Amino acid sequence: NAGVTQTPKFQVLKTGQSMTLQCAQDMNHNSMYWYRQDPGMGLRLIYYSASEGTTDKGEVPNGYNVSRLNKREFSLRLESAAPSQTSVYFCASSDGRGQYFGAGTRLSVL
Amino acid sequence: GDSVTQMEGPVTLSEEAFLTINCTYTATGYPSLFWYVQYPGEGLQLLLKATKADDKGSNKGFEATYRKETTSFHLEKGSVQVSDSAVYFCALSQKTSYDKVIFGPGTSLSVIP
Repeated sequence: NAGVTQTPKFQVLKTGQSMTLQCAQDMNHNSMYWYRQDPGMGLRLIYYSASEGTTDKGEVPNGYNVSRLNKREFSLRLESAAPSQTSVYFCASSDGRGQYFGAGTRLSVL
Repeated sequence: GDSVTQMEGPVTLSEEAFLTINCTYTATGYPSLFWYVQYPGEGLQLLLKATKADDKGSNKGFEATYRKETTSFHLEKGSVQVSDSAVYFCALSQKTSYDKVIFGPGTSLSVIP
């Protein structure tokens, strides 16, 4: 049982480059989330999807876009990466009784 | 708005010591309460939860009791091990149109042999 799978695990970008972080869950959860984790800032919600076909902004959505491709997959896109987006990104899914997290993507923007 | 406050770390304990990590919350209504654990280089894992007042959540020797009167959900373990070294996050969840979770800042625990 894989749970929540994120790819890639590590990525280095140059300023202005774009990339998509992939996330898939196999638990048949309706809700999915993207967070970023920065030292001293805790976890901050970027975007969430309450159900297939819907997405909404979280606390820090600027510079990001998301796509809920189907019930399993929820991707996060950086159109033009900036050094301020250097962070660890976590995808999570939920059945309403707790959130289940992927292992994270460590992104550096130079 | 809703919020979660945790004791500041880092916390350093010797193996077999008693652990308490304090957590208090501010919220309307009756949220569910959670503890998550994050081991180095990994994502958060749900450790335990409680969904109503006086409920006790427990897992892997850890316990926490939902105290409505003191708005607290303190994490305890009677005898910590080196393998318990991690960051612990207290969190609350309100049922809205989605599972909105508010996380505390996290408390780093180091257990030394």
